[in-house]
Amino acid sequence: GQQLNQSPQSMFIQEGEDVSMNCTSSSIFNTWLWYKQDPGEGPVLLIALYKAGELTSNGRLTAQFGITRKDSFLNISASIPSDVGIYFCAGQRIGDDKIIFGKGTRLHILP
Amino acid sequence: DTGVSQNPRHKITKRGQNVTFRCDPISEHNRLYWYRQTLGQGPEFLTYFQNEAQLEKSRLLSDRFSAERPKGSFSTLEIQRTEQGDSAMYLCASSTGQGVYGYTFGSGTRLTVV
Repeated sequence: GQQLNQSPQSMFIQEGEDVSMNCTSSSIFNTWLWYKQDPGEGPVLLIALYKAGELTSNGRLTAQFGITRKDSFLNISASIPSDVGIYFCAGQRIGDDKIIFGKGTRLHILP
Repeated sequence: DTGVSQNPRHKITKRGQNVTFRCDPISEHNRLYWYRQTLGQGPEFLTYFQNEAQLEKSRLLSDRFSAERPKGSFSTLEIQRTEQGDSAMYLCASSTGQGVYGYTFGSGTRLTVV
């Protein structure tokens, strides 16, 4: 089963607000990835992190690879309607050739 | 290259029937992965190939499931004697094989077993 704890499960925010979500694990990870999934589509990669402490931005999105290598967070600044969707953290554990996923954070933007 | 391609996009089948899905990875990617995603959950790993070799299978992959990648290019996932619990989105991903660099997903095949 899943070994990544992602929170919150869902968020309801106003357009223009900033958003923060995170992911934790009991295992050490080599790589952290953040994906967004729209209904009926596959996950699309937003940000990839390859080194502990790494802070990477992609437009209004910023993600960090935790120093302990057991956590990561994603921030979205100044949210817009097209940010609605499900955000997944995913990671590659040491010695593993695949990535595993959290259960997702569903983002809703109130009109 | 247009990314990872999966066919069909949707499949409705009667319980007990066999179904087969196809995945065409990004052409220069030598690793190919299959995942299953049920409603409200993240994708769960099923199996992966390095070229034509199947290197890992999850406990989720019961003996009714089989995956092949005969020439190291496209892959097929077959489910025999489908059950209602098999209803899910089946996702394929491919990567370069250098760590998880370039891990890219297709749009998935939505299976509904009635």
